[in-house]
Amino acid sequence: EAGVTQSPTHLIKTRGQQATLRCSPISGHTSVYWYQQALGLGLQFLLWYDEGEERNRGNFPPRFSGRQFPNYSSELNVNALELEDSALYLCASSDSSYNEQFFGPGTRLTVL
Amino acid sequence: GEDVEQSLFLSVREGDSSVINCTYTDSSSTYLYWYKQEPGAGLQLLTYIFSNMDMKQDQRLTVLLNKKDKHLSLRIADTQTGDSAIYFCAEESGGSYIPTFGRGTSLIVHP
Repeated sequence: EAGVTQSPTHLIKTRGQQATLRCSPISGHTSVYWYQQALGLGLQFLLWYDEGEERNRGNFPPRFSGRQFPNYSSELNVNALELEDSALYLCASSDSSYNEQFFGPGTRLTVL
Repeated sequence: GEDVEQSLFLSVREGDSSVINCTYTDSSSTYLYWYKQEPGAGLQLLTYIFSNMDMKQDQRLTVLLNKKDKHLSLRIADTQTGDSAIYFCAEESGGSYIPTFGRGTSLIVHP
C-alpha cells in the first residue's frame, strides 16, 4: 500500500512569490493535515481538511490557505512568501477514526 | 495554553537503554504520542498511550505516563545505531484530533 506522497520534494522561491505544495493521502483516508516544521521548532499545525471541508486551522496568517479535492488529495498555497516561511512542510492523512496520522516525507520550501 | 517540552539532545552508547522525557501542560490530554523522524523523512508513529494508562510496552519500547506530574517518557531498550533519529512527543486533548508537538529530542547512538 502506498504511503502519503508529497510534491515537490524541494521548492525554491523568492520573497513575494507564491508556492503551491501538493499531498496525496493513503488510499481510503479522507482527512489531510498540514504542518510546518521550521528549523529548531516542533511541528506547527497549519490546516486540517476532511471530506473536502476545512475543519480546523492553526495560528497562521490568511496567506496560508489550501483545499482538498474530491479524490481527497490536497494543496497548500502560501502567498506573498516571506523569508520566515522557509521550512519543511509535512502532510499527514488519517481515516475517519482520526486516531492515527500517517506522515509524508515533506516538501522543503526555501524562500530567498 | 498547551505546551509540550522535551530536552533537545540525548547521547547513548549502543546497547544501552535510552530514556527520552517529555512534559506537557494540558491536563485534559486524551492521547499521548511518540513519533520518530529519521533524516530527510516524515514522522513515523512509534506508539501512543491513552491518558487512563500508566504504562505501555511494545517490544523494545516502554512508555510511562505520570498523569499527576504530566510527565511522559519513552524508554528504548538495547539501543541500536538505527535508532538515531529525532523523537517527538505529542499530546492531543478534548477530541481536537490535532496533536501538539514538542520540539523533538535528537537521539545520537554511538558505538
